[in-house]
Amino acid sequence: GQNIDQPTEMTATEGAIVQINCTYQTSGFNGLFWYQQHAGEAPTFLSYNVLDGLEEKGRFSSFLSRSKGYSYLLLKELQMKDSASYLCAVSDSNYQLIWGAGTKLIIKP
Amino acid sequence: GAVVSQHPSRVICKSGTSVKIECRSLDFQATTMFWYRQFPKKSLMLMATSNEGSKATYEQGVEKDKFLINHASLTLSTLTVTSAHPEDSSFYICSAPGQRDYNEQFFGPGTRLTVL
Repeated sequence: GQNIDQPTEMTATEGAIVQINCTYQTSGFNGLFWYQQHAGEAPTFLSYNVLDGLEEKGRFSSFLSRSKGYSYLLLKELQMKDSASYLCAVSDSNYQLIWGAGTKLIIKP
Repeated sequence: GAVVSQHPSRVICKSGTSVKIECRSLDFQATTMFWYRQFPKKSLMLMATSNEGSKATYEQGVEKDKFLINHASLTLSTLTVTSAHPEDSSFYICSAPGQRDYNEQFFGPGTRLTVL
């Protein structure tokens, strides 16, 4: 079956760095996405990786290793507004998005 | 980026009634739209793929007679929850793929449905 695993919850301190991991097993691979979702709102797009390596976009970076079925989202200089759920999703061979359950990130002052 | 709107944002209805949720792509055409539902603290679950000019494709376990999808135009898809029950209470989200990159999904703001 298809499976996306990510930690349920993480806590970090304002100004620090946090890494949210995602492992996946899917039928085919057409890219991995990270989305941010604040409570009661729809997800917003953060990043897309289809090739191995690190993609940097401001304070957020995303890494992919296809051979390991592994990705992480790195958030630097954490701000209180970064408190949200972070969803990992993989596009499978049919271009269907398979979603992880999300990681709730709690930022403490 | 592309903008997708949903209406209504919140709806409360009585059991047995039907509720229609609209999803619009505001500044681009979407031949395909996706409908998701999300329970609290759970992952997004794809319900169906809406295709303009043809029947929707439903995921396994989703009742097509209960969740009616109509893709009336290149900018509008509707989801009608028929004969709603309290267990249908959920957060319903639509999305449309980007025009430049089909893999990128643009999400509507979501509709919170509460069935009493």
